[in-house]
Amino acid sequence: EDKVVQSPLSLVVHEGDTVTLNCSYEVTNFRSLLWYKQEKKAPTFLFMLTSSGIEKKSGRLSSILDKKELFSILNITATQTGDSAIYLCAVDPDAGGTSYGKLTFGQGTILTVHP
Amino acid sequence: GAVVSQHPSRVICKSGTSVKIECRSLDFQATTMFWYRQFPKQSLMLMATSNEGSKATYEQGVEKDKFLINHASLTLSTLTVTSAHPEDSSFYICSASQRGFPTDTQYFGPGTRLTVL
Repeated sequence: EDKVVQSPLSLVVHEGDTVTLNCSYEVTNFRSLLWYKQEKKAPTFLFMLTSSGIEKKSGRLSSILDKKELFSILNITATQTGDSAIYLCAVDPDAGGTSYGKLTFGQGTILTVHP
Repeated sequence: GAVVSQHPSRVICKSGTSVKIECRSLDFQATTMFWYRQFPKQSLMLMATSNEGSKATYEQGVEKDKFLINHASLTLSTLTVTSAHPEDSSFYICSASQRGFPTDTQYFGPGTRLTVL
């Protein structure tokens, strides 16, 4: 059974802190690993990672994938209260047909940033 | 681009009634749509995968007679919760994807919060 595990499950920090969110996976097939941010509504796409060691950056957020050790991290520097959300990690299997795009999600990390 | 809408955003209904939720891809044709369910402070749980023109594939433990899915066109999928009960109250989210457009990943609708009294 495919499994995606995120840690920590929750995190409380103050504005300006840097946080690192972890995602490890054990899956039969792997196409990509995705990070999403979810506030009150549906998840919004952050990053898609397919290759090991290549960092993706968007503003204060960055992410990297290690396909040998089967994990990814999401870094947020200089956190702001607007970063408070659930951060979800998901793995997209490399499969076509009826399994195409069937994401396996981790439990999520609830990040709370206090002023 | 890659906008997915859901309607309604919130619905409250009485126990025993049926509720239909629509999911539309607004600016691309979605060959595959997915329906998720999410309880408070928990992750998304995939309920079913819907391919246009064919029957939905349900995940283990999801009752297909209770959660009816129709994917009649490349831009519309519907989820009908039949004979809803309070335990069906949840946040339902759809996503849509088309291989290779624009980044070969899923785009999520804004979700529908269902409350069954």
